[in-house]
Amino acid sequence: QKEVEQNSGPLSVPEGAIASLNCTYSDRGSQSFFWYRQYSGKSPELIMSIYSNGDKEDGRFTAQLNKASQYVSLLIRDSQPSDSATYLCAVALTSGTYKYIFGTGTRLKVLA
Amino acid sequence: EAEVAQSPRYKITEKSQAVAFWCDPISGHATLYWYRQILGQGPELLVQFQDESVVDDSQLPKDRFSAERLKGVDSTLKIQPAELGDSAMYLCASGLRAGGFANTGELFFGEGSRLTVL
Repeated sequence: QKEVEQNSGPLSVPEGAIASLNCTYSDRGSQSFFWYRQYSGKSPELIMSIYSNGDKEDGRFTAQLNKASQYVSLLIRDSQPSDSATYLCAVALTSGTYKYIFGTGTRLKVLA
Repeated sequence: EAEVAQSPRYKITEKSQAVAFWCDPISGHATLYWYRQILGQGPELLVQFQDESVVDDSQLPKDRFSAERLKGVDSTLKIQPAELGDSAMYLCASGLRAGGFANTGELFFGEGSRLTVL
């Protein structure tokens, strides 16, 4: 079992729709959760972080965390073609040594 | 705005040759990470430093890869000899701190070094 799992996609949504991206993690000691966006050929950039159960909203983005289910998601409202990218879920945990682990990413396509 | 500097941006080499990548993190960042990202996959951690010390190098192929951060500032990742399967983007990232804190914060990435092994 991979430590951080994502559906690789592609996930295609029409412009203006809500895109829903999901991530599960295996280590219950995970403490911090992040969503990074990566455009093709570029390096990842942070778009959301979440540390406690519940929802966290920032503009068009909402991160949701459920530690009991070991599940974190990202919702993108009013999706735009410029949102087309790969979205990486990352988990930070202290388990012996500190780790910062990425999932394989979900490729999102927003269709104009 | 402070940035993570990496060089070279692109490197083409033949297999069995040596190659080195350099990274200068954001000033004051104690943690430094080297990741390898193969096309279509997520970043895979190779090595993590806390100041000048290696915290995790469990996924570093030590027969051919080495990494150092001698003064706890900039870092070098070396591959010798390079193999065809090493073709990838090598990403350096830095962060403020690690371990012992619930909110560990984001990582800041450099632009990456794309390696092609022929």
